[in-house]
Amino acid sequence: EVQLVESGGGLVQPGRSLRLSCAATGLTLDDYAMHWVRQPPGKGLEWVSGISWNSARIGYADSVKGRFTISRDNVKNSLYLQMSSLRPEDTALYYCTKSPRGIAVAGSYFDFWGRGTLVTVSS
Amino acid sequence: EIVLTQSPASLSLSPGERATLSCRASQSVTTYLVWYQQIPGQPPRLLMYDAFNRATGIPARFSGSGSGTDFTLTISSLEPEDSAVYYCQQRSDWPFTFGGGTHVEIK
Repeated sequence: EVQLVESGGGLVQPGRSLRLSCAATGLTLDDYAMHWVRQPPGKGLEWVSGISWNSARIGYADSVKGRFTISRDNVKNSLYLQMSSLRPEDTALYYCTKSPRGIAVAGSYFDFWGRGTLVTVSS
Repeated sequence: EIVLTQSPASLSLSPGERATLSCRASQSVTTYLVWYQQIPGQPPRLLMYDAFNRATGIPARFSGSGSGTDFTLTISSLEPEDSAVYYCQQRSDWPFTFGGGTHVEIK
């Protein structure tokens, strides 16, 4: 069974950092571009960041550029999101998602999603 | 950034009725338009990609159309399990953007 399992969320004060992880089972991540998409409580979806299969190409939403860093470890079959200088508006459920095989990171859509990890930024 | 506007924001229909959901882009995305379904408490599920291609396992009652800036998701005969929020997403240009969603309620 294919699974993407996010972890690392929690309550954090504004200005602090947090690192999210996404562990994949049932598939080999290095076949796919990977992304983080977030959803504030009760609101819609926002793409956060994406990374190509070999980490050669990376993109960020303007709202997180310079504060968040996406990375991956294909040996560990895992995806990461290092979040720093966190703001209350970063409060959201963070989903790890994959793109279909053969789809470039720059033209991605998301064919499988984890269940998300909740990040709450509050003092 | 390409802005996607979905309409209506919500609709309430009976089982067996036809639902028509709209997604309008602020500039052309050719056919690089994707639809997701999100049932409360669950992650989004891929429904359609590139405007009119059904994802694996999606029933034939779901269909998509459109190109350029105007797109439609049609559910031909609503089932109770279709109660959800439906989002469109463009994959034409970074940053990828989503519409605000249409909430479909089954009476």
